Amino acid sequence: AQSVTQLGSHVSVSEGALVLLRCNYSSSVPPYLFWYVQYPNQGLQLLLKYTSAATLVKGINGFEAEFKKSETSFHLTKPSAHMSDAAEYFCAVRSQGGSEKLVFGKGTKLTVNP
Amino acid sequence: KAGVTQTPRYLIKTRGQQVTLSCSPISGHRSVSWYQQTPGQGLQFLFEYFSETQRNKGNFPGRFSGRQFSNSRSEMNVSTLELGDSALYLCASSLDAGRSLNTQYFGPGTRLTVL
Repeated sequence: AQSVTQLGSHVSVSEGALVLLRCNYSSSVPPYLFWYVQYPNQGLQLLLKYTSAATLVKGINGFEAEFKKSETSFHLTKPSAHMSDAAEYFCAVRSQGGSEKLVFGKGTKLTVNP
Repeated sequence: KAGVTQTPRYLIKTRGQQVTLSCSPISGHRSVSWYQQTPGQGLQFLFEYFSETQRNKGNFPGRFSGRQFSNSRSEMNVSTLELGDSALYLCASSLDAGRSLNTQYFGPGTRLTVL
C-alpha cells in the first residue's frame, strides 16, 4: 500500500528565508508525486507534480521539489518565503495506471513571520 | 475554462438526515473523485468515477454513495448522517483515468456540519 509521511505538522519561517517542507513516500512501484497547497476555506491547488520525466520539478509561485528515489523523498523548497505563502501544504502519491486515487500526507501548515 | 464547481458550499444537517452534494468537473474532464477532509483524519479518498462507472472506492461505510452522469457531473450522497460526517468534502476532476500526465483539479469543497 502506498503512503506519504510529512515531517512536521507546523513549520515557521521568516519572510525571505528558505522554505523546506519534507515529504517521504512509500510505494512498491514507481510513484507519481504531487504537492498541493490549501489556503483557508479553499480547495487544493496544484503546486507541482513528478511523473518521472525529470527529478527536479519546478512549480508555481517559485516552488520546486526534487525526487530522490534512494531516499524515497520529494521535499518541497522555495528559496525565499513570502507572506502570501502562508498556507497548508499537502504531499500526495498516486500509483501508475488505472486509478486517479491520491493518498495524502497529513499536511504541513506553513507560517511566515514578518 | 471554468474550474471545478461544487454546490452547495455550506450545509447544515442534523443526525439521521441524508444529504446530496454536487460536483461539476472542468469542461472535457471525464474523471471525478471525491475526498473527505477532517482535522483528525486528514484527506481521505471516497470514490472515483469515470464514464459513469465507479472505478475505485475508499474505506467508507455503505452510507456513502455516489454516481456520475453522462455529462460527467457527479453527486455523492450520505445517508443517516452521523456527527463524525462533519467535514469538508472535496471533488476533483481530471481529463482521463489513470494516465501519467493526469492532474486532479480540486473544487472549493462543500463544508458539511452535522448537528
